[in-house]
Amino acid sequence: SQQGEEDPQALSIQEGENATMNCSYKTSINNLQWYRQNSGRGLVHLILIRSNEREKHSGRLRVTLDTSKKSSSLLITASRAADTASYFCATPNTGFQKLVFGTGTRLLVSP
Amino acid sequence: NAGVTQTPKFRVLKTGQSMTLLCAQDMNHEYMYWYRQDPGMGLRLIHYSVGEGTTAKGEVPDGYNVSRLKKQNFLLGLESAAPSQTSVYFCASKGLGGTATEQYFGPGTRLTVT
Repeated sequence: SQQGEEDPQALSIQEGENATMNCSYKTSINNLQWYRQNSGRGLVHLILIRSNEREKHSGRLRVTLDTSKKSSSLLITASRAADTASYFCATPNTGFQKLVFGTGTRLLVSP
Repeated sequence: NAGVTQTPKFRVLKTGQSMTLLCAQDMNHEYMYWYRQDPGMGLRLIHYSVGEGTTAKGEVPDGYNVSRLKKQNFLLGLESAAPSQTSVYFCASKGLGGTATEQYFGPGTRLTVT
């Protein structure tokens, strides 16, 4: 079963605009991770936010976490065509041995 | 470092045939994983391993077997392929590093079963 559910399923924007993706999860977590997948490629880790953090930045990425609402958001500022990809949130299981992935948001950035 | 590699990249099987997918990592990671990815389903965990000689079932293990005879390799076997196993298969690995560590993914194997 999926732990995380991303919203929206698909997002289409113009270069230079900001893109926001949301993730909701079901159980208490220690951390939440975001991954990017370019078409036909493996997933690449973007950023991790711990349960005691509310916001984290990495370059043009900004991640927020609201544990009371069991939700997280990923903001990509000043998007580029190269940001076109699918984005997944993932949370570890209780034993931290496994990650459970959401169904992903497909982002299309047009020049 | 090559990171995580997978062979083969593509394969077409007939129903009932068997095959083995190979995953190799050169990062000395303890944990290794096999996922399948289907349209609209995200990634689903098939089997995983927490160290050499160990394996455990994931979310969708039926029809698959795995082995971890060497720390750097994790093999996924299909004993009798079915069309429902048409998918893209990803291997990943993770180091020990406490509770907050990322997984590193291979490039994927696209399998079609006819």
